[in-house]
Amino acid sequence: QQQVKQSPQSLIVQKGGISIINCAYENTAFDYFPWYQQFPGKGPALLIAIRPDVSEKKEGRFTISFNKSAKQFSLHIMDSQPGDSATYFCAASKGAQKLVFGQGTRLTINP
Amino acid sequence: DAGVIQSPRHEVTEMGQEVTLRCKPISGHNSLFWYRQTMMRGLELLIYFNNNVPIDDSGMPEDRFSAKMPNASFSTLKIQPSEPRDSAVYFCASSLLSGANVLTFGAGSRLTVL
Repeated sequence: QQQVKQSPQSLIVQKGGISIINCAYENTAFDYFPWYQQFPGKGPALLIAIRPDVSEKKEGRFTISFNKSAKQFSLHIMDSQPGDSATYFCAASKGAQKLVFGQGTRLTINP
Repeated sequence: DAGVIQSPRHEVTEMGQEVTLRCKPISGHNSLFWYRQTMMRGLELLIYFNNNVPIDDSGMPEDRFSAKMPNASFSTLKIQPSEPRDSAVYFCASSLLSGANVLTFGAGSRLTVL
């Protein structure tokens, strides 16, 4: 019930393309769904987050789509750039409790 | 703010030795988390503190691991004795207890146990 399953493990996208990473969760009590971005040698950093009262949140080229009935949420990166190459983690939590992270997706944007 | 500060950044030690990792959270943050990152298991929460009090240590692998937070600006994660399977990157993160659960991570401590 505490798991967050993330796919794919790795993803290669051409520059200018759309990168899509998916996550699924089991615990219906989760009410906070962030995405973290991690560059090599650095700690993860918050990229964008959503709460289940909305189905989509957009910040620049990054969009979270949220499907409450399917218990799934995804990250879309539009016009992907080489600088977006990083590892992306989805996560979920209930209230202010501890975040549960997905396994991560290593994204490579080819120039 | 300098962010979450971790030391050492890299540690190479031999099996059986004691390892101490240190963390200084962001000033004003009252929650502190220790995570371990490996290729196989991803990001695992080891323990977290609210207002310097340990709340959940269910992720601590075994008794060889211990964590303390003697004050609001300092925490340690100790492994004694260390084993090769403890090799990983250990992250400290801090956040505000109230409001959104936004974690700010440090740069991590890469531990290699030979």
